[in-house]
Amino acid sequence: QQQVKQSPQSLIVQKGGIPIINCAYENTAFDYFPWYQQFPGKGPALLIAIRPDVSEKKEGRFTISFNKSAKQFSLHIMDSQPGDSATYFCAASKNNAGNMLTFGGGTRLMVKP
Amino acid sequence: NAGVMQNPRHLVRRRGQEARLRCSPMKGHSHVYWYRQLPEEGLKFMVYLQKENIIDESGMPKERFSAEFPKEGPSILRIQQVVRGDSAAYFCASSWDRGYEQYFGPGTRLTVT
Repeated sequence: QQQVKQSPQSLIVQKGGIPIINCAYENTAFDYFPWYQQFPGKGPALLIAIRPDVSEKKEGRFTISFNKSAKQFSLHIMDSQPGDSATYFCAASKNNAGNMLTFGGGTRLMVKP
Repeated sequence: NAGVMQNPRHLVRRRGQEARLRCSPMKGHSHVYWYRQLPEEGLKFMVYLQKENIIDESGMPKERFSAEFPKEGPSILRIQQVVRGDSAAYFCASSWDRGYEQYFGPGTRLTVT
């Protein structure tokens, strides 16, 4: 199975809140899990990525948590700001298969001032 | 500008016409990926190319679609005899090598009337 399931589809938080976006995958051959941020009319921008040999990775206000046994990973945005309002996509790929990305369906995040 | 470049940004075609989408990868990148994004959906992999070679076209429709990445010049995604269902945003991504991060261009939004 190549599917990556993402939830929720949409999320509204207040400024300063911590939105959490979850993804689940089925293919245990996946070994690279990036998150992309997309603003309307723009291309996806790489935000942060993790490989299954670590359980957590932080970059600035963004944190990925990874649970290999459950085949799940999530994105947390600390101290969220209105400028974080965008659509977020999780993805997965198999490094030895050319790195083509399988994307989740996306989460539309709105951070209210 | 060292980013991935795509042109045109917007393309309108009538049913039955041909659409040509161009992608210039980031400087130093020799791997190109094409993805399609339907409205309100995630991105779907179409094709993976290196210079003068198609590595993986498992996501390409069998008919009307073709892609190339010549030794000189941009990668081109060609859609012949477009139909309304081809209306979507088409994104190109590039990477330095197989297994490295993919960086996306701004996309070409194709509208078939």
